[in-house]
Amino acid sequence: DTGVSQDPRHKITKRGQNVTFRCDPISEHNRLYWYRQTLGQGPEFLTYFQNEAQLEKSRLLSDRFSAERPKGSFSTLEIQRTEQGDSAMYLCASAPGQRETQYFGPGTRLLVL
Amino acid sequence: AQKVTQAQTEISVVEKEDVTLDCVYETRDTTYYLFWYKQPPSGELVFLIRRNSFDEQNEISGRYSWNFQKSTSSFNFTITASQVVDSAVYFCALSEHFGNEKLTFGTGTRLTIIP
Repeated sequence: DTGVSQDPRHKITKRGQNVTFRCDPISEHNRLYWYRQTLGQGPEFLTYFQNEAQLEKSRLLSDRFSAERPKGSFSTLEIQRTEQGDSAMYLCASAPGQRETQYFGPGTRLLVL
Repeated sequence: AQKVTQAQTEISVVEKEDVTLDCVYETRDTTYYLFWYKQPPSGELVFLIRRNSFDEQNEISGRYSWNFQKSTSSFNFTITASQVVDSAVYFCALSEHFGNEKLTFGTGTRLTIIP
């Protein structure tokens, strides 16, 4: 099995621009999670999906953030009108089922100038 | 609310020394899951171990061992005969059975193995 993949690995953007990240989970994993990690901190939960259904969103996920998993396979995370405070590593994880171990991708490192 | 504390921000040891990384957790659930992940400089979180709250057996995997003690709400990680490749940031994490499925992470311990 290939692991979780994320694209792009790095993104530099100017404040106010929109960005979109993609996550491809491990094949047949029906759970998909997004986390954000800032420098010197542990990852913080953003949202998760069971197949195409978004089950929970953290309060960290402001209205500028939207996540989708349209066909229950890959997922996208979009940030609109980026702010410098959005600079972070965005991590995706997948799991084979409810309360199973989450396996992480390499992350997308975002820098907002 | 669930919380994970890793009080050791940074640890440096000389190669071949043993090192223990501490993890203390808080939860109201009686059923929960504890994890350790390794984050090398490349950034990817690598899963190391998962422990269920009802299984207090300690575990050993090669040079790695884990000590789970419910009485002190601790889940400590020991590396025996450390190697340079063990240099990374290590995260302890908690997931509650009756909460949502999120992982709550500690702030991590940066381990540096000096050759």
